[in-house]
Amino acid sequence: DGGITQSPKYLFRKEGQNVTLSCEQNLNHDAMYWYRQDPGQGLRLIYYSQIVNDFQKGDIAEGYSVSREKKESFPLTVTSAQKNPTAFYLCASSIPGTSYNEQFFGPGTRLTVL
Amino acid sequence: DQQVKQNSPSLSVQEGRISILNCDYTNSMFDYFLWYKKYPAEGPTFLISISSIKDKNEDGRFTVFLNKSAKHLSLHIVPSQPGDSAVYFCAASGGSNYKLTFGKGTLLTVNP
Repeated sequence: DGGITQSPKYLFRKEGQNVTLSCEQNLNHDAMYWYRQDPGQGLRLIYYSQIVNDFQKGDIAEGYSVSREKKESFPLTVTSAQKNPTAFYLCASSIPGTSYNEQFFGPGTRLTVL
Repeated sequence: DQQVKQNSPSLSVQEGRISILNCDYTNSMFDYFLWYKKYPAEGPTFLISISSIKDKNEDGRFTVFLNKSAKHLSLHIVPSQPGDSAVYFCAASGGSNYKLTFGKGTLLTVNP
């Protein structure tokens, strides 16, 4: 089955620690995205990548970093510089350059920083 | 500056009746609009979309209407079913970077 996997579903970290969230897709999509969702908020774009070895900052990139070494993988690191890291993180992928930009989402990772 | 606005945080309707979810946008560059449905602790799933060259798109019980002059779109669900209870996000894209801009969502509750 094709899809996007995010692991783990729940993640707990101590304040001041960096943590990396995994995102893998087997849809053969070129573009991948990371969003953050907070209660009562929409999805806010953290980083996106339209092709391997290239990525751009989204609207709230401060305190986050990403890499795109493989087409299938787009890990997100939440650094200690992120002031409010506790949130629900969603990874998505799409085929860029199509007439529309339907993005397919993974199940999400709930990060709690203690 | 919120470019996509869903002004109703919640909506409650009776099973079998029509649900109407609204969305306004401010960016004239947006030319494609999507609706996503999201259950708690899950990722959003694509529901229906519409291009700016159309004013209506229908898929089964779901219809999206676009009024470009008013920069307004709406999602109609007829008839509403309890399984439709979820948060619905409006999203828009435009220009060359294919990013999606999301609204804050509307929680729809369909009562049996």
